[in-house]
Amino acid sequence: DQQVKQNSPSLSVQEGRISILNCDYTNSMFDYFLWYKKYPAEGPTFLISISSIKDKNEDGRFTVFLNKSAKHLSLHIVPSQPGDSAVYFCAASGGGSGDKLTFGTGTRLAVRP
Amino acid sequence: EAGVVQSPRYKIIEKKQPVAFWCNPISGHNTLYWYLQNLGQGPELLIRYENEEAVDDSQLPKDRFSAERLKGVDSTLKIQPAELGDSAVYLCASSLGSYRDEQFFGPGTRLTVL
Repeated sequence: DQQVKQNSPSLSVQEGRISILNCDYTNSMFDYFLWYKKYPAEGPTFLISISSIKDKNEDGRFTVFLNKSAKHLSLHIVPSQPGDSAVYFCAASGGGSGDKLTFGTGTRLAVRP
Repeated sequence: EAGVVQSPRYKIIEKKQPVAFWCNPISGHNTLYWYLQNLGQGPELLIRYENEEAVDDSQLPKDRFSAERLKGVDSTLKIQPAELGDSAVYLCASSLGSYRDEQFFGPGTRLTVL
């Protein structure tokens, strides 16, 4: 049972344009959501998070939007840079899963120069 | 400040052999996690330690997997005997406290079981 889903395995975007990565979840008890970025041969690194009491959180070029009624969150990167090319994982915690992080399957972002 | 250190980075063994992975967390981080990442999947928690105590090991296959965190610092994850399906990346992470604190991941150990 995949409680956190990233339905797009890959995304290609032109440098300078907006990248939008999507994530859906099924567990309505999740109350904390995170995005991690992973480069090849490295461990994931934390990017940005959002609590369920908010619907938006910004950090520089990165913005996460949360739509609780749709059980959907998205990560916007503006403007996209070639160094943003990586695999992005959505993760969620809370509710019946305790505080354990449940990760999605990841989306590979390629930013073309 | 040094990050999470894992060794070895790569390991190739034959099935039925034992294997061990080592992790040294960031200094001062009380919580340590071991994750399993299969190809094309996200990390899945195997075990979480708060200092020396394993507080969540519900996902650890205890028939062949074991872990320890002596003295509440570094940790070892062992598989004995390894099976073909154990081929994956084993990630270690650490954080100051609970899941709501940022988790810092090591580079992982890529295990190949032949």
